[in-house]
Amino acid sequence: GAVVSQHPSWVICKSGTSVKIECRSLDFQATTMFWYRQFPKQSLMLMATSNEGSKATYEQGVEKDKFLINHASLTLSTLTVTSAHPEDSSFYICSARGLAGIETQYFGPGTRLLVL
Amino acid sequence: QKEVEQNSGPLSVPEGAIASLNCTYSDRVSQSFFWYRQYSGKSPELIMSIYSNGDKEDGRFTAQLNKASQYVSLLIRDSQPSDSATYLCAGLGGGADGLTFGKGTHLIIQP
Repeated sequence: GAVVSQHPSWVICKSGTSVKIECRSLDFQATTMFWYRQFPKQSLMLMATSNEGSKATYEQGVEKDKFLINHASLTLSTLTVTSAHPEDSSFYICSARGLAGIETQYFGPGTRLLVL
Repeated sequence: QKEVEQNSGPLSVPEGAIASLNCTYSDRVSQSFFWYRQYSGKSPELIMSIYSNGDKEDGRFTAQLNKASQYVSLLIRDSQPSDSATYLCAGLGGGADGLTFGKGTHLIIQP
């Protein structure tokens, strides 16, 4: 149980284009989903928290207009990197949490983004 | 003070020995703690969670939490080469629901 998928696993795009990454909880309803970013040889950094049906909460320093998050259903959250630039190249990982009061987060396999 | 601190290593342990991984945390991160294992190029996978003072055992893994010292550790008994990975300590707390991760300790189990 507690399987989280992400799509795509790899994406290469040109600078200035937008990229959408999907995160799905396959066997449970995720009331809260999280988006993290990991640069090479660094740890995961929380970007934003999204609750189903409400606006995402962004961490300090993360541009909400650049990283658009939508959590329209209990099993799907999307992250859109708008006008991507080479410095946005990173490993983007989502996680999902189910029932309120259960704090364990389950991570998706990650999406590796390369912006040329 | 960084919120979650770990020694980046590498920590080299012979096969069959006990690997001891340590983590300290700040006041902002003081509720629940998690140990994740991350293989190169992969996303983290949960090993254990611990919420209260003391030890928690699961198979070859034992997590220890000492809230007075703001210290959490992970022991891996009978270490195997497949345990070689980066181990991330993460805490939950403060205003955010998300996890605050340490930089991770790179563990190498020598056959």
